[in-house]
Amino acid sequence: GEDVEQSLFLSVREGDSSVINCTYTDSSSTYLYWYKQEPGAGLQLLTYIFSNMDMKQDQRLTVLLNKKDKHLSLRIADTQTGDSAIYFCAESGSSASKIIFGSGTRLSIRP
Amino acid sequence: NAGVMQNPRHLVRRRGQEARLRCSPMKGHSHVYWYRQLPEEGLKFMVYLQKENIIDESGMPKERFSAEFPKEGPSILRIQQVVRGDSAAYFCASSSRGQGMTGTYEQYFGPGTRLTVT
Repeated sequence: GEDVEQSLFLSVREGDSSVINCTYTDSSSTYLYWYKQEPGAGLQLLTYIFSNMDMKQDQRLTVLLNKKDKHLSLRIADTQTGDSAIYFCAESGSSASKIIFGSGTRLSIRP
Repeated sequence: NAGVMQNPRHLVRRRGQEARLRCSPMKGHSHVYWYRQLPEEGLKFMVYLQKENIIDESGMPKERFSAEFPKEGPSILRIQQVVRGDSAAYFCASSSRGQGMTGTYEQYFGPGTRLTVT
C-alpha cells in the first residue's frame, strides 16, 4: 500500500540550513508536498512538486525529488526560530483527491 | 477571503455521546476532505465529498462515522457513540479542483477540531 516515511526529529542551529528527508512507496505518485504545522494549528502548504520535476526552489525553500529512489527532501536555508514546527511530507496520485501523509518531522532550532 | 472554517475548535464528549464537526470550505470551493490526526501521528485521509456526493470514503471507519456536504451549509462529520479512541484532531480541507480535473491543485486546511472523549 501507499506509505510515506520521514524521521521524527531534527535539530539545527539558527542560521544553518535544515534538510528534512522523506521516502515514499507509491510509484504512481503525481504530486509531492511539504506542509508545515505549528503547535495547535492547522496545516500550511509550503510547496509542492510534480513528479516529472527534479527540483523546485521558492525563496528559502528548495525541494529535491529523486523519483528513482522515491526520495524527497526539503531544504530550508538560513533557518530561523519561526521555522520551528512539524513538517509533513505527503503525496497524492493524479486525481489528487486523497493525500497520504508521513508522520511528520519536528524541527527545533538551537540558538 | 476567509479560509477554511471549522467549528467547534475544541469539543469534549462523554463516551456514548454524538460528536458533530462542521467545516465551511473556502469561498468558491466545492470539494471537501476530512482527515484525522491521532496524537504524535500524521494525518490520515477519511473521506472526500463534493456537493451532495461522497466521492471517496475509503478512509472512513465502517461504523459510527458518517459525513455529508449538503447543497447549502457546511460539511458535517458525525461520530455516533464516541469512544476514547476517537479522541483526535479532525481536519477539514477544501479545494477548487477535484478528481479527473486538470490544472494546479491545492488543498487548503482548516485549523481543526480537537475532540476529547472522556
